[in-house]
Amino acid sequence: AQSVTQLGSHVSVSEGALVLLRCNYSSSVPPYLFWYVQYPNQGLQLLLKYTSAATLVKGINGFEAEFKKSETSFHLTKPSAHMSDAAEYFCAVSRGQRDDKIIFGKGTRLHILP
Amino acid sequence: EPEVTQTPSHQVTQMGQEVILRCVPISNHLYFYWYRQILGQKVEFLVSFYNNEISEKSEIFDDQFSVERPDGSNFTLKIRSTKLEDSAMYFCASSGGREGYGYTFGSGTRLTVV
Repeated sequence: AQSVTQLGSHVSVSEGALVLLRCNYSSSVPPYLFWYVQYPNQGLQLLLKYTSAATLVKGINGFEAEFKKSETSFHLTKPSAHMSDAAEYFCAVSRGQRDDKIIFGKGTRLHILP
Repeated sequence: EPEVTQTPSHQVTQMGQEVILRCVPISNHLYFYWYRQILGQKVEFLVSFYNNEISEKSEIFDDQFSVERPDGSNFTLKIRSTKLEDSAMYFCASSGGREGYGYTFGSGTRLTVV
């Protein structure tokens, strides 16, 4: 079975500070890993995905994540937070098979302090 | 950029009524999915659909739920007799099924059962 655990349901950072959202996964097969962002009352937007190629993945809006197999982690980072980054962030995992479901974490709400 | 379109964006229905949520997946995608998100909770997989049949369903997807691809463009989720606990945001998604392709989610339908 696959699962993801997101550490911290709420994270607050100051504008301009480093953003670090933590995600650990569990998977019996090599995983595909995703980060999605959800703005209030909106749908799910893919930020980035890891599909067994480069372990450092760059996404949209300046976000990146690093796949670390030894730590079973896929933490999301951004060097400098903007007010517009305030949203809910979901880490997710799949087996990477063609029709496989995605399993989501519980989400981390990111608050940006002025 | 191709989009997954969901209608309506918000639906209010009385308990016990049937409701149909509609989705238009990306035209050349082969795999279709429904997910739901109860307010404040994580996104949960409901069902995947390929080649005109269900390929996987979760324990949430009981006999009250059904999916259909009635024509070449629409993908629907029907709830036969809605309960209060069916109130949630329902997301449709589609994928091309190729390695690394990834999902595209719609913007969701907020279902409120009163």
